[in-house]
Amino acid sequence: GENVEQHPSTLSVQEGDSAVIKCTYSDSASNYFPWYKQELGKRPQLIIDIRSNVGEKKDQRIAVTLNKTAKHFSLHITETQPEDSAVYFCAASRAYKYIFGTGTRLKVLA
Amino acid sequence: DAMVIQNPRYQVTQFGKPVTLSCSQTLNHNVMYWYQQKSSQAPKLLFHYYDKDFNNEADTPDNFQSRRPNTSFCFLDIRSPGLGDAAMYLCATSPGSSYNEQFFGPGTRLTVL
Repeated sequence: GENVEQHPSTLSVQEGDSAVIKCTYSDSASNYFPWYKQELGKRPQLIIDIRSNVGEKKDQRIAVTLNKTAKHFSLHITETQPEDSAVYFCAASRAYKYIFGTGTRLKVLA
Repeated sequence: DAMVIQNPRYQVTQFGKPVTLSCSQTLNHNVMYWYQQKSSQAPKLLFHYYDKDFNNEADTPDNFQSRRPNTSFCFLDIRSPGLGDAAMYLCATSPGSSYNEQFFGPGTRLTVL
């Protein structure tokens, strides 16, 4: 079946450093790629998304890049802060069906 | 201005005792989803409705059922909860077209004794 691989599963960075999380999807028909941040005990919340007709999107300290040929997309967080610590999920979507990656636990060390 | 509401937020049930979880939305979205999430793992899709059209994931156990009586409400019924069904259950909605964000409810934490 269709799947989304996400790496790394855990990531520790020093405050102020950058963090990169990578995902690879299998369904070439996927056309929408959201990233969710989930804090402990809370709901997943959308932090940034990208459509298949766009290669890169940036929102303040967060950016996402998409390589459709390679079926890769990545989340980049710059100038990390302790409040960025959470679990991050990527997803690949076709129509209204979403397939989630396995998640990355990000720890930002003060 | 809650958009996706889930009740109860915490549910404790006994092994084998049926339980129903509720989800409502004020977004008038076409699609409603039920996910099961364990210990910061990825949300696992159980079902989704596009309007009244019900879609069951192939690996969703028969123990799980769902109802969507109208656009705003969707229910998850667990007929005979087992210890392995203890999890966070997340309801989500989306408009139902391409490039659309899913909106998640706060979740119901289910404990099975």
